[in-house]
Amino acid sequence: DAEITQSPRHKITETGRQVTLACHQTWNHNNMFWYRQDLGHGLRLIHYSYGVQDTNKGEVSDGYSVSRSNTEDLPLTLESAASSQTSVYFCASSPVNLPETQYFGPGTRLLVL
Amino acid sequence: TQLLEQSPQFLSIQEGENLTVYCNSSSVFSSLQWYRQEPGEGPVLLVTVVTGGEVKKLKRLTFQFGDARKDSSLHITAAQTGDTGLYLCAGARGGSQGNLIFGKGTKLSVKP
Repeated sequence: DAEITQSPRHKITETGRQVTLACHQTWNHNNMFWYRQDLGHGLRLIHYSYGVQDTNKGEVSDGYSVSRSNTEDLPLTLESAASSQTSVYFCASSPVNLPETQYFGPGTRLLVL
Repeated sequence: TQLLEQSPQFLSIQEGENLTVYCNSSSVFSSLQWYRQEPGEGPVLLVTVVTGGEVKKLKRLTFQFGDARKDSSLHITAAQTGDTGLYLCAGARGGSQGNLIFGKGTKLSVKP
């Protein structure tokens, strides 16, 4: 069965370190998205991609970057982790013909100390 | 800027009761999605509504999109403990290609 996975599921890091969160989907979807979920804010879009070599900034992109070298993966990098980036991160994917129909991964809980 | 307001934020009811959750905006959306999220998991898509006035049913869940495509409601009939979770609405603006705006969610607790 097709799925979307995220790793690690839990991560503790220190302020200033670079951190990369992995997202892998086997749906063969063109569209991939990264969100963060925080109490009081709901889900907010960080970055998204409509295909290989395409990346776009979302609502809260500062301090984050992504790259899309193949269809299956969209890793999210925190260049220099800050305590404000402590959050739960979700990756999602959707097909090109139904971009709003998004399938979410299980999430990565990140704690920045 | 919060474009999608969900109400109520929290709802605690007894098994068997009916409930309605609302999702309101001053913006027009080309489609609106409802998701359900359980603790420690990602959101799971329940339904997409795209036409003003559209009503969709999923077993005991009824979803309605407002005529002006600015608001939506989710009605659950005879709630069960398995309905417990966080319900999220998400709107897509025309031409957004999947760039969704999420509401903050309604946390539903159904007690036996």
